[in-house]
Amino acid sequence: GAVVSQHPSWVICKSGTSVKIECRSLDFQATTMFWYRQFPKQSLMLMATSNEGSKATYEQGVEKDKFLINHASLTLSTLTVTSAHPEDSSFYICSASLGTGVEKLFFGSGTQLSVL
Amino acid sequence: AQRVTQPEKLLSVFKGAPVELKCNYSYSGSPELFWYVQYSRQRLQLLLRHISRESIKGFTADLNKGETSFHLKKPFAQEEDSAMYYCALEFSGSRLTFGEGTQLTVNP
Repeated sequence: GAVVSQHPSWVICKSGTSVKIECRSLDFQATTMFWYRQFPKQSLMLMATSNEGSKATYEQGVEKDKFLINHASLTLSTLTVTSAHPEDSSFYICSASLGTGVEKLFFGSGTQLSVL
Repeated sequence: AQRVTQPEKLLSVFKGAPVELKCNYSYSGSPELFWYVQYSRQRLQLLLRHISRESIKGFTADLNKGETSFHLKKPFAQEEDSAMYYCALEFSGSRLTFGEGTQLTVNP
């Protein structure tokens, strides 16, 4: 099946620094990727929709200047958490779309971000 | 705004017993609902979608628009069914709203 790789799987950073998370579709081209965040024992919350070659679309309440998304190629989307603070500590998950329809969505294994 | 609720965070049953994982939703449009499963240390994967009305690994789910529910059922639970289950609603273009998840444990 289609494989989506996320890197790193976990990262620890100091408050005020920026962290980049990569989401790659390994064996297919993904024109659309999605970024979610998940706090402990809570639901996955959609942050933004990333389209190759265009600006990301952010969900209401998500700070676009804080969570920078770049989808420069059909196999790579990156999420950069800028000036990270402890409240940004969370589990970040990406999904990549193989085509139209939810059944064509494939999820990465997630990145645990801890901001000290 | 759309919302998905899974009232049970934890559910424990014995092998061979029936299991039902509850999911309720609120959405102003025509709902497209899905169940995802996450086995231990694995990534989220689609289990089934309401529109297909199929049975996957013995699980079925029926959309009840009157009760705004999409409960997941299996008549005879197996130990390998132990996992985290998420109910999700598609609100546009593959964008999903997830419930908080139910951790199912099937005891031998």
